[in-house]
Amino acid sequence: SQQGEEDPQALSIQEGENATMNCSYKTSINNLQWYRQNSGRGLVHLILIRSNEREKHSGRLRVTLDTSKKSSSLLITASRAADTASYFCATVVTGGGNKLTFGTGTQLKVEL
Amino acid sequence: KAGVTQTPRYLIKTRGQQVTLSCSPISGHRSVSWYQQTPGQGLQFLFEYFSETQRNKGNFPGRFSGRQFSNSRSEMNVSTLELGDSALYLCASSLTHGGTDTQYFGPGTRLTVL
Repeated sequence: SQQGEEDPQALSIQEGENATMNCSYKTSINNLQWYRQNSGRGLVHLILIRSNEREKHSGRLRVTLDTSKKSSSLLITASRAADTASYFCATVVTGGGNKLTFGTGTQLKVEL
Repeated sequence: KAGVTQTPRYLIKTRGQQVTLSCSPISGHRSVSWYQQTPGQGLQFLFEYFSETQRNKGNFPGRFSGRQFSNSRSEMNVSTLELGDSALYLCASSLTHGGTDTQYFGPGTRLTVL
């Protein structure tokens, strides 16, 4: 079963704009990871944020984590057409080993 | 370092057959996990192996099984295939079992059951 929901399910923006995706989850977590998937291919790891962290940056990516609200957001700044993909959040619960529980994903389309 | 590799990349089988998928983790990684991705159910955890032992199992029938070898390579087997087993099967590797490390995914094996 899915850990939670991602919002929005689909997002269409123009190149150069920012894209924000939200993820909610249900249980206490060890960490939360964001992945990108292009057209049914493998998942590419973007960022891992631990439960004691509130914000992390990697290039044009910014991830926030609010454990009190059980939510996370991924911000992609200055989007490019190459950012077109599906984005998934995945949680690792405390004591759950390496099991990732994925959200439903956000389909991002960046148009020229 | 080479990434996670999966073979074969594409597979077509008929109902009732069995299939074996292979995953080679990143060098030095000892944990391998398997996931099934379908349009209806999304990404679902199958099982995790670490040091040749199954450490965690998802909610899948016993037709789905796996194993891990001493070199950390892992295989997943599905017996008595059903149409609903058509999916993208992904494996992920990680350094340890503790749930604190990044997990890196392979390109997946696309299984079609006719």
